[in-house]
Amino acid sequence: DIQMTQSPSSLSASVGDRVTITCRASQSISSYLNWYQQKPGKAPKLLIYAASSLQSGVPSRFSGSGSGTDFTLTISSLQPEDFATYYCQQSYSTFMYTFGQGTKLEIK
Amino acid sequence: QLQLQESGPGLVKPSETLSLTCTVSGGSISSSSYYWGWIRQPPGKGLEWIGSIYYSGSTYYNPSLKSRVTISVDTSKNQFSLKLSSVTAADTAVYYCARRGRMDLWFGEIRWFDPWGQGTLVTVSS
Repeated sequence: DIQMTQSPSSLSASVGDRVTITCRASQSISSYLNWYQQKPGKAPKLLIYAASSLQSGVPSRFSGSGSGTDFTLTISSLQPEDFATYYCQQSYSTFMYTFGQGTKLEIK
Repeated sequence: QLQLQESGPGLVKPSETLSLTCTVSGGSISSSSYYWGWIRQPPGKGLEWIGSIYYSGSTYYNPSLKSRVTISVDTSKNQFSLKLSSVTAADTAVYYCARRGRMDLWFGEIRWFDPWGQGTLVTVSS
């Protein structure tokens, strides 16, 4: 199985900060990488697919990059509504999907 | 827009079978473009994909759960269902249903889950 490891597990930041979250795959997954945002008590929401493509309706302050084994999610200027938990997910394996353990973004 | 809603018992006894249904509205479950999936999240923990199904009935499951999981589809009701047998406390989780989308890009077919249902908490306890 392909393992996905996110870092950090938690992060404190302030409104207006630039934040980067990293996701590393246990083997190369090309660009088969998606990012989700989950707020407390809510379902995850797709932010970015194919490593760098912004889902429709998602603010442009969110961006993704990377390929192979190393990926990043960047929020260029944190807004109050961005404090949430973020998950990466690989779809390289045709019949098995795995998620990272999550990164909790908290207000400093 | 497309909406998904999970339904089923919130409490299941150990060793019994967990049964949930996902009702899709605002779109057809028989669309050739999509699969449908179940994902779960134990309290305070991360996300685990359980399995996915196509409207034709074709399925694939997480190998770690495959021996206990059955996912089925009822196109006449625009629903798909999850059964998880021989449950233990470790199966306590919020269970989500979601649409599995796809797109062909230069490097291959990318797949993702969007949208998701609101989730339903299932507790395994006697």
